[in-house]
Amino acid sequence: DVKVTQSSRYLVKRTGEKVFLECVQDMDHENMFWYRQDPGLGLRLIYFSYDVKMKEKGDIPEGYSVSREKKERFSLILESASTNQTSMYLCASAVVRSREGQGEQFFGPGTRLTVL
Amino acid sequence: ELKVEQNPLFLSMQEGKNYTIYCNYSTTSDRLYWYRQDPGKSLESLFVLLSNGAVKQEGRLMASLDTKARLSTLHITAAVHDLSATYFCAVDKSGNEKLTFGTGTRLTIIP
Repeated sequence: DVKVTQSSRYLVKRTGEKVFLECVQDMDHENMFWYRQDPGLGLRLIYFSYDVKMKEKGDIPEGYSVSREKKERFSLILESASTNQTSMYLCASAVVRSREGQGEQFFGPGTRLTVL
Repeated sequence: ELKVEQNPLFLSMQEGKNYTIYCNYSTTSDRLYWYRQDPGKSLESLFVLLSNGAVKQEGRLMASLDTKARLSTLHITAAVHDLSATYFCAVDKSGNEKLTFGTGTRLTIIP
């Protein structure tokens, strides 16, 4: 079974703090994703990575950055947290489309971040 | 821009009844996914639909895809309480690695 883990289930930070959210997958997937989930808005893609050190902006990248130094690990960074970044953050991984597989994304348990 | 719309957004139904959730999308796509999310939990993959006319069934849930109409349906048969959850459809733009999600349908099954 694919396993995607996230470093924290719940996190409380103060405005202006630098926040790191870590995601690790154990299935050698090329693609990794960071989403945020807010009521009524569904899931919105923040950033996507298709290889080590490679990244692509999603729909809402402002205020976020990412790092992928190893294939299995994808980090989301909030350089200076703000209250409007209070949300549920979900990480996912997937096999690249050109490889065998159906392209479905496998999700981690999520991190509920509160910025005060 | 790819848009994915689900309806209804909220659905409350009695145990034993049948109902359908609809997922419409705006541009050509060759893959559609259905996910389930329980309260406070993450998303769990239910179905992957890869071609026009694809139909998949698991227990009381059946999903189908009509790529010409850009429509997928998730049909619930004889609902039971355990099916209470939020259901999301997601579509990838042809050739693209990224998914666009619908806003979800929150399903509540009443005894």
